[in-house]
Amino acid sequence: AQSVTQPDIHITVSEGASLELRCNYSYGATPYLFWYVQSPGQGLQLLLKYFSGDTLVQGIKGFEAEFKRSQSSFNLRKPSVHWGDAAEYFCAVGGSQGNLIFGKGTKLSVKP
Amino acid sequence: EAGVTQFPSHSVIEKGQTVTLRCDPISGHDNLYWYRRVMGKEIKFLLHFVKESKQDESGMPNNRFLAERTGGTYSTLKVQPAELEDSGVYFCASSEFERAGYTFGSGTRLTVV
Repeated sequence: AQSVTQPDIHITVSEGASLELRCNYSYGATPYLFWYVQSPGQGLQLLLKYFSGDTLVQGIKGFEAEFKRSQSSFNLRKPSVHWGDAAEYFCAVGGSQGNLIFGKGTKLSVKP
Repeated sequence: EAGVTQFPSHSVIEKGQTVTLRCDPISGHDNLYWYRRVMGKEIKFLLHFVKESKQDESGMPNNRFLAERTGGTYSTLKVQPAELEDSGVYFCASSEFERAGYTFGSGTRLTVV
């Protein structure tokens, strides 16, 4: 069955520190992978996506993610976190029917 | 370009009442999706329209939920009668092509009391 696992429910990092949010997926074919962010009171905003090609994907707001097929992972990274990055982050895989299958999300808190 | 619009943004209703949520997709997007996030759980797919046709409604929880997409434009999701477990945030998304970038609306937070 298709699934997405985000093992960290809540992460706290200091402003200026680096960030890595983990995502593992289970999918039989070549996956379409996404990271979304939801800030308080806002909708889901697409940070980046991977369909094919270069396995290191650049997104908005200075985020990047690396697709590792051998590890079934698509971890999200940012070299220096800003207080405005505090939000909830969702990893998703595109299902065979065109829908998205989401992980449970990782809530990011940023310490000053 | 206008984004995906959902209203109301919040709705509080009593158990047994009816609520209708609306989604206006990005103009020209044939694909429209509904998702729901119940508190503490992951965001789950409800159904997918291609134009006015239901492509996949495998995620609809039960027959108290009815989705329509008139003329392939906006969509409504009606819950009748609402139950406590229907509380959550309902998201709508649209895309020009299947498996392309999906643009989400801000969601409707539904609270059933």
